[in-house]
Amino acid sequence: DQQVKQNSPSLSVQEGRISILNCDYTNSMFDYFLWYKKYPAEGPTFLISISSIKDKNEDGRFTVFLNKSAKHLSLHIVPSQPGDSAVYFCAATADNFNKFYFGSGTKLNVKP
Amino acid sequence: DAGVIQSPRHEVTEMGQEVTLRCKPISGHNSLFWYRQTMMRGLELLIYFNNNVPIDDSGMPEDRFSAKMPNASFSTLKIQPSEPRDSAVYFCASSLGQGHYNEQFFGPGTRLTVL
Repeated sequence: DQQVKQNSPSLSVQEGRISILNCDYTNSMFDYFLWYKKYPAEGPTFLISISSIKDKNEDGRFTVFLNKSAKHLSLHIVPSQPGDSAVYFCAATADNFNKFYFGSGTKLNVKP
Repeated sequence: DAGVIQSPRHEVTEMGQEVTLRCKPISGHNSLFWYRQTMMRGLELLIYFNNNVPIDDSGMPEDRFSAKMPNASFSTLKIQPSEPRDSAVYFCASSLGQGHYNEQFFGPGTRLTVL
């Protein structure tokens, strides 16, 4: 049973517009959330994270929002660029878990 | 640093054959993770080691899968015998420390195809 779910396998966005990638989780013990980005033929790389004590974390064009009551987080990319085209994985963990639970990924295509 | 190194990058084998995937973690990292990526389930954690000791192998699908870490700079994931449903991309990752705030660095993966 997957504890982290990304229900949209793919997303297509025009360059310059906002990309919103969504992630839901079921385990209320999770207190730390991450987004990883993966290009073809490469391993995932860390992008941005958020602790459960916050509801927003921003890093340049990337912002992650956390809604604990809804067990939902989202990644916003503004403005989207063609180089952002990749698969994005959401992950969650907790202090005593010692491992990450990953979602199934969302493939983002940013069209020029 | 060269990052996490995995070999081979691609492996094609026939059902029933033994497959061994290899991983060299980043020097100084003491936690190592093996993941499998499939279309249906995304990134699944198979097993992880801390200081060369297996900590959690609950994700290992069945007895056909085994993993070892004989020293701090090398780990193997073995599938014997392999089956077509094992076809996937297998990633190795390492981190400095076991805590969840420690970023995991992934290797480029091994794409396994079992015919």
